[in-house]
Amino acid sequence: GEDVEQSLFLSVREGDSSVINCTYTDSSSTYLYWYKQEPGAGLQLLTYIFSNMDMKQDQRLTVLLNKKDKHLSLRIADTQTGDSAIYFCADKSQGNLIFGKGTKLSVKP
Amino acid sequence: SAVISQKPSRDICQRGTSLTIQCQVDSQVTMMFWYRQQPGQSLTLIATANQGSEATYESGFVIDKFPISRPNLTFSTLTVSNMSPEDSSIYLCSVDTGWNTGELFFGEGSRLTVL
Repeated sequence: GEDVEQSLFLSVREGDSSVINCTYTDSSSTYLYWYKQEPGAGLQLLTYIFSNMDMKQDQRLTVLLNKKDKHLSLRIADTQTGDSAIYFCADKSQGNLIFGKGTKLSVKP
Repeated sequence: SAVISQKPSRDICQRGTSLTIQCQVDSQVTMMFWYRQQPGQSLTLIATANQGSEATYESGFVIDKFPISRPNLTFSTLTVSNMSPEDSSIYLCSVDTGWNTGELFFGEGSRLTVL
């Protein structure tokens, strides 16, 4: 079946940029998504990108998509302690969302 | 977006009992889904809740263990039957609003601990 892979942990200092990476296997993906899960909470959709785009920017968030390499990244500029959470990459495959295992972002003051 | 309310938000249950989780959406939606998130793991789709017909279950999940109801376009329930400690998870309701962008919106989740 289709798969989505992410590194499990990332630690950055407050004010630095964070880059969370994701790879996927589905060559027919139409949309890819980034979700954020804070402790004890559900998933919050952060942003998405259409597969025919290379980049999408939304305030502090920049999504880069390399469709040839099936690589997706999420850059958070000026990372704050409130950004500490688990970030899930997801790929829409055959009508269902396939999620990665999530990257736990820790932001140190 | 859609606002999704789940009840209970958390519960501690005894082995062998069953618990029903409710999911209420603030608007009519075509597609509702139930996911499981085991500790430290990603989300796994349990089933698609179909309005007016039986739910569609993913491989590894069966109706006897996870019966689902979907009486209308704004409400669904998931029951976790005959629970064991392995069922300790967060159970999440999600909806697809039908927008072209296809994103799912999630409830806050129901955290179940089975002793």
